[in-house]
Amino acid sequence: QVQLQESGPGLVKPSQTLSLTCTVSGGSISSGGYYWSWIRQHPGKGLEWIGYIYYSGSTYYNPSLKSRVTISVDTSKNQFSLKLSSVTAADTAVYYCARLNYDSSGYYLDYWGQGTLVTVSS
Amino acid sequence: QSVLTQPPSASGTPGQRVTISCSGSSSNIGSNTVNWYQQLPGTAPKLLIYSNNQRPSGVPDRFSGSKSGTSASLAISGLQSEDEADYYCAAWDDSLNGPYWVFGGGTKLTVL
Repeated sequence: QVQLQESGPGLVKPSQTLSLTCTVSGGSISSGGYYWSWIRQHPGKGLEWIGYIYYSGSTYYNPSLKSRVTISVDTSKNQFSLKLSSVTAADTAVYYCARLNYDSSGYYLDYWGQGTLVTVSS
Repeated sequence: QSVLTQPPSASGTPGQRVTISCSGSSSNIGSNTVNWYQQLPGTAPKLLIYSNNQRPSGVPDRFSGSKSGTSASLAISGLQSEDEADYYCAAWDDSLNGPYWVFGGGTKLTVL
């Protein structure tokens, strides 16, 4: 059973960089076959996809966040990470990491972490 | 403003059948498969339906999905109290700005 766990600071100051890590267990990122994603949920709101990374390091980002987002992978630690720069209060949200699976019929996020709340405040 | 449109709320009584709609466009639902997620209060979303109408292992067959044109629907039959949750549809969007994953705004299901 694949499990994902987010970790990182719960409080970030405005204009600084938000940094989170997702640790994957029960499966190896370097085995390929999946994309590793970040999604966020503003308080009381819906879901917003941030981007994903493949084990090789290939990335794809939400066009609306692309200028501020960097997703990286560390296959030796079976982790992938999110950096979001120049944060404002509008970036306050629960951040989830998830596995993006795909087959001949399409793509789907099949395993999710429990989520971590990041608050942007001075 | 979400790219995919869902009703903000839905309700039903135990045993009833309810449906939740998800409306999109030719760049998302019209050309890609639809997934549905269930989010129980205080928990992470859980994959409920993928590829329009496929259920992951462990999801009861009371849950079913369908798609027609640029719209999709989630149906829940034999409604149970534990089905009270938020439901989100999602699809890949082949926009001019570059493809990206889009979600509906979510539907809060209340079991009366």
